[in-house]
Amino acid sequence: DIQMTQSPSSLSASVGDRVTMTCRATQSINNYLNWYQQRPGKAPKLLIYAASTLQSGVPSRFSGSGSGTDFTLTISSLQPEDFATYYCQQSYNTPSLTFGGGTKVESK
Amino acid sequence: QLQLQESGPGVVKPSETLSLTCTVSGGSISSSSYYWGWIRQPPGKGLEWIGSMYYSGRTFYSPPLKSRVTVFADTSKNQFSLKLNSVTAADTAVYYCVRLAGDYGGIPGHYIYDVWGQGTMVIVSS
Repeated sequence: DIQMTQSPSSLSASVGDRVTMTCRATQSINNYLNWYQQRPGKAPKLLIYAASTLQSGVPSRFSGSGSGTDFTLTISSLQPEDFATYYCQQSYNTPSLTFGGGTKVESK
Repeated sequence: QLQLQESGPGVVKPSETLSLTCTVSGGSISSSSYYWGWIRQPPGKGLEWIGSMYYSGRTFYSPPLKSRVTVFADTSKNQFSLKLNSVTAADTAVYYCVRLAGDYGGIPGHYIYDVWGQGTMVIVSS
């Protein structure tokens, strides 16, 4: 099975900060990598698919990059509504799509 | 607009069977090229894929749960269901039903969970 590891597990930031988090796969997954945002008490919401393609309706301050085993999600200017937990997910081994452990973005 | 809604008991006794149903509205579970599945999230923890069913009926299960899990559909009711046997406290979680869509964004082979239920909390307790 493909395992996904996210780091850090949590980070503290302020509104307006640039925030970066990473996701690493145990084997190459090309660009079969999705990012989801989950707010408390809500189901996850797709932000980015195919490593770098922004889902329709998602603000352009979100961006994704990477290929192979290492991926990054960046929020260029953190907004109040962005305090949430972010999960990466590999879609290389469909339908056994595994998630990373999440990165929680908290207010500093 | 496709919607998913989970239903089932909120409390299950240890060693018994957890049974949940997902009702699909606004679309058919027999639509080609989609998987229908279940994901869970223990309190304060991350997301865990449980199992999925292709529109044709073929099933796929998470290896750690495979011996205890069944996912099946009732196409006449446009529902699919989850059964998890021999539950323990470790199975306490929010359970989500989901649709897995392929070739997303026109990119061949790329799958995403595009529709989620609201989630239902299941507590395993005597």
